[in-house]
Amino acid sequence: QQPVQSPQAVILREGEDAVINCSSSKALYSVHWYRQKHGEAPVFLMILLKGGEQKGHEKISASFNEKKQQSSLYLTASQLSYSGTYFCGTEHSSGSARQLTFGSGTQLTVLP
Amino acid sequence: DARVTQTPRHKVTEMGQEVTMRCQPILGHNTVFWYRQTMMQGLELLAYFRNRAPLDDSGMPKDRFSAEMPDATLATLKIQPSEPRDSAVYFCASGLSSLAETQYFGPGTRLLVL
Repeated sequence: QQPVQSPQAVILREGEDAVINCSSSKALYSVHWYRQKHGEAPVFLMILLKGGEQKGHEKISASFNEKKQQSSLYLTASQLSYSGTYFCGTEHSSGSARQLTFGSGTQLTVLP
Repeated sequence: DARVTQTPRHKVTEMGQEVTMRCQPILGHNTVFWYRQTMMQGLELLAYFRNRAPLDDSGMPKDRFSAEMPDATLATLKIQPSEPRDSAVYFCASGLSSLAETQYFGPGTRLLVL
């Protein structure tokens, strides 16, 4: 089942902060975050494994709340280069193989 | 600069024709993933392989799609026969061990089935 991302779109001014949320109705094994610019391939940002960890990547960090089955991506002091569509992918365990399903994306626009 | 390569980058074909898409993973990566992206369905994982063996293909329509890894440097995704609803961008990604590791995406094959 597809995770739910919110908001669907957000517009920021350079230097402002944003939070993108991803929630699942099923127990999670891991959460993946990707950014995709128009006409390009997705680019990996980070993966969080179950255990409630938090990770950071430059000014982009994420948290994973296993109990609430949700993850949040934090973008601080946004830059123009942060513009793009952000996808979360949630991994669930299903028998012997794991399955990865993606949210519909959050379109982030950073204005000068 | 190691990258995942995909060929062809663009493909236009007629309904009923066979389509073969190729992917060369990053040297040393033993896990290969195939994704499909459309406006309606978003990004979907079709299948993935580890050490050339299929691990999961539950996201792939079995009747017309097939994925193989003839060797460690080549992964293929075939559609036979193709249908207009298969029109999408197909991405290949490679990684070091499993789903819970970084995946490096190729540029994609943009497929249009008329």
